[in-house]
Amino acid sequence: AQRVTQPEKLLSVFKGAPVELKCNYSYSGSPELFWYVQYSRQRLQLLLRHISRESIKGFTADLNKGETSFHLKKPFAQEEDSAMYYCALSPAGANSKLTFGKGITLSVRP
Amino acid sequence: DVKVTQSSRYLVKRTGEKVFLECVQDMDHENMFWYRQDPGLGLRLIYFSYDVKMKEKGDIPEGYSVSREKKERFSLILESASTNQTSMYLCASSQQGAVTGELFFGEGSRLTVL
Repeated sequence: AQRVTQPEKLLSVFKGAPVELKCNYSYSGSPELFWYVQYSRQRLQLLLRHISRESIKGFTADLNKGETSFHLKKPFAQEEDSAMYYCALSPAGANSKLTFGKGITLSVRP
Repeated sequence: DVKVTQSSRYLVKRTGEKVFLECVQDMDHENMFWYRQDPGLGLRLIYFSYDVKMKEKGDIPEGYSVSREKKERFSLILESASTNQTSMYLCASSQQGAVTGELFFGEGSRLTVL
């Protein structure tokens, strides 16, 4: 069975500071990894996925198979980044059946 | 614009009542999911469906059932609500065969069981 671990519940930083939201996973096969975000009073939405190797809103995430990690990073946090972030995993070909981590609240202070 | 609609945003029910949570999507997606979202526990999968009339148990199906009579509609049923089912319930859909893993979520239904 797969598992996603987000070791921290809350990260509070000042505007302009770097951000790293940690995500570790456990899965014996080849996973697909994602970050989802939920802004205040908005629905949960996809932020980025590792297969796309893209940067969205300044965020990037690199899949490290050796460390089984998929940390989300941003060099300079903005106040509008304040939200709940979830890391999620899907076994390859599992037709979007995602396992989510417990989530982390990012608070960016002015 | 992609849309998943959960008809009830807030519900208050009493212990033992039967509860229906409705979800409709307008994207012609084959896959539909029900999650519950609890602080400190994240999202946990209750049930999912890859086709009409089809359903599969997720990680926490106990106390719940589902119905998928039409492609666009996926209902979550609590046969006899209990206080530990007080939670935010999220419905989601996705396109079958999609490798992107993009789930489209509804706004959620916050259920309180007294």
